[in-house]
Amino acid sequence: GQQVMQIPQYQHVQEGEDFTTYCNSSTTLSNIQWYKQRPGGHPVFLIQLVKSGEVKKQKRLTFQFGEAKKNSSLHITATQTTDVGTYFCAGPGTQGGSEKLVFGKGTKLTVNP
Amino acid sequence: DAGVIQSPRHEVTEMGQEVTLRCKPISGHNSLFWYRQTMMRGLELLIYFNNNVPIDDSGMPEDRFSAKMPNASFSTLKIQPSEPRDSAVYFCASSPWAQRVGYTFGSGTRLTVV
Repeated sequence: GQQVMQIPQYQHVQEGEDFTTYCNSSTTLSNIQWYKQRPGGHPVFLIQLVKSGEVKKQKRLTFQFGEAKKNSSLHITATQTTDVGTYFCAGPGTQGGSEKLVFGKGTKLTVNP
Repeated sequence: DAGVIQSPRHEVTEMGQEVTLRCKPISGHNSLFWYRQTMMRGLELLIYFNNNVPIDDSGMPEDRFSAKMPNASFSTLKIQPSEPRDSAVYFCASSPWAQRVGYTFGSGTRLTVV
């Protein structure tokens, strides 16, 4: 079945360092979404990418969608302690309806102040 | 907007007991999703509804799990009988039709079966 894989599984950085998480799908995606889950919290929608090669920025966060629409990345510049959490990518399911999302396992980011 | 509301926030029950989790989606959202989150398996989709109709329940692990959506403002996920391996955080999420703006998740129900 469809798989969405993320690497790394864990990342620990010093405050001020950059951080990148990568997402790869076994199938071509019509779009990809990114979510953030704070410790003890619930996933919160960050952004959706639709176009091949698309790049979007939200302050210190930069999101990219690959040309082949099978991979994506999230880059955080100069991390802060408020960036702590797990970042998930998710793509539409290929079976059983396109409304559902298949989530990657996430990258857990910890930031040392 | 109160967001997606789930209850209870925490549930501790004994093996073999029936557990019912509840969800109120955001008004106007046509799609409702039940996910289960564990360390080992991450976020797994259990079932989702469009306009109150179950569309895909292929993620429901066993017949012990059932879900209903009797109207646009309420859904339940029931486990009967519960087992220790059902311990997880269960999230409900809703979105407008065609998921163009992403899902809004509830705060989740942390279920512990002892």
